[in-house]
This record gives sequence, C-alpha cells and structure tokens, in this order.
Amino acid sequence: QKEVEQNSGPLSVPEGAIASLNCTYSDRVSQSFFWYRQYSGKSPELIMSIYSNGDKEDGRFTAQLNKASQYVSLLIRDSQPSDSATYLCAFTGGGAQKLVFGQGTRLTINP
Amino acid sequence: KAGVTQTPRYLIKTRGQQVTLSCSPISGHRSVSWYQQTPGQGLQFLFEYFSETQRNKGNFPGRFSGRQFSNSRSEMNVSTLELGDSALYLCASSTGTDGEKLFFGSGTQLSVL
Repeated sequence: QKEVEQNSGPLSVPEGAIASLNCTYSDRVSQSFFWYRQYSGKSPELIMSIYSNGDKEDGRFTAQLNKASQYVSLLIRDSQPSDSATYLCAFTGGGAQKLVFGQGTRLTINP
Repeated sequence: KAGVTQTPRYLIKTRGQQVTLSCSPISGHRSVSWYQQTPGQGLQFLFEYFSETQRNKGNFPGRFSGRQFSNSRSEMNVSTLELGDSALYLCASSTGTDGEKLFFGSGTQLSVL
C-alpha cells in the first residue's frame, strides 16, 4: 500500500465552481499535513498546513483533516484559471522533517 | 527575505560522470532537505541535514551523498551518473522544528545523456 494516495486526475472544474482534492495516508503517527501547489516547470509552493482535526480556512482555500479516517482534503472555492496546477498533499512520517508526498492531482480550471 | 537559492538551474552530464548541486537556504533556517522529482515517481526524499549533520536519509543508493556547511548551505553530490538519475532535484529549507513547513528552491534540472 502506498503511503499517500491522492484522487486520480486530471481534474477539470469550471471557473467559479468548487474544486475538491482528496488524499489518504497510511501512517497513523503522522501529525502534520500540508498542501503544495506546483505550476508546470516550477517548484512546489506551500499553500496550506493543518495539524488538528477539522477545517482550516485561508481565503478561498479550506483544508480538512480527519485523523481517524486518515483523510485530508483541500477545497478551492470560486476556482480561477490561475488555480490550474498540480496539487500535492504531504505529511510528516518516519522522522522529523521527512515529508512524504503524494503523486499529485493535476487540476485544470476552465474559463 | 531571500528565498531558497539553488545552482545551477540546468545541468547536462553524461553517464559515469559526477555532479554537485548547491543550495542556500532561507536566512536563519538550519535544515536543508533534498528531493528528487520525476514524472514517474513523483517527489522522493533523498536526505535532510540539520546543523551540518545528516538527520534523515531516504532509500537512495550510496552514489547520492550530501553535506552541509556551518553557514547552513548544502551540497548534494551524485557519482557515477546513470540515465535514470535524470530528474529535477529540489532543495527545501526550514527551521528544523518537527513538523515545520518546508520552502522549496527552484530546483536543478539534471539531464544525463
């Protein structure tokens, strides 16, 4: 079983709609969870971090964490074409500062 | 505050050669992690250095090595290059606190011919 599984893409969403990205992880010890955005040809950029169960909102982005279900998600409200990118979920596992990444979900926002 | 700086941006090498990549972390950050990114495998953790000591290591062969200097700058070396080493190598810096966020550099795109 892979350590991190992200919903298969690519995902296509119309402009103004809600984009939903999901991620499950296998390490029950994990405490820190992150969402990174990576534009084509660029490096990953941290957009959200979440450490406790529940929702965390930052502008149009909401991260949701459910440790019992080992599930983390990212919602993007009022999607814009500039949100088109690959989204990577990651969590700490196996030791300090070792981030384990999912394969990423490619999101396209259609005008 | 300057971000994470990686040099060079692009490298072309041939099989059997060795290569050294450099990373300067954000000022005040003491932890530097290295990742390899390929289309097939995604982001794979190589190793992490904190205060000049290797603190964590991923599942890569011994041809991949690194070091960190007293000013927190880090270098990564790959010896006896193979075609499969072609990838984007990303450096990430953080304060080193458990669970703290990582900030990535622009990466070095290595092509092995």
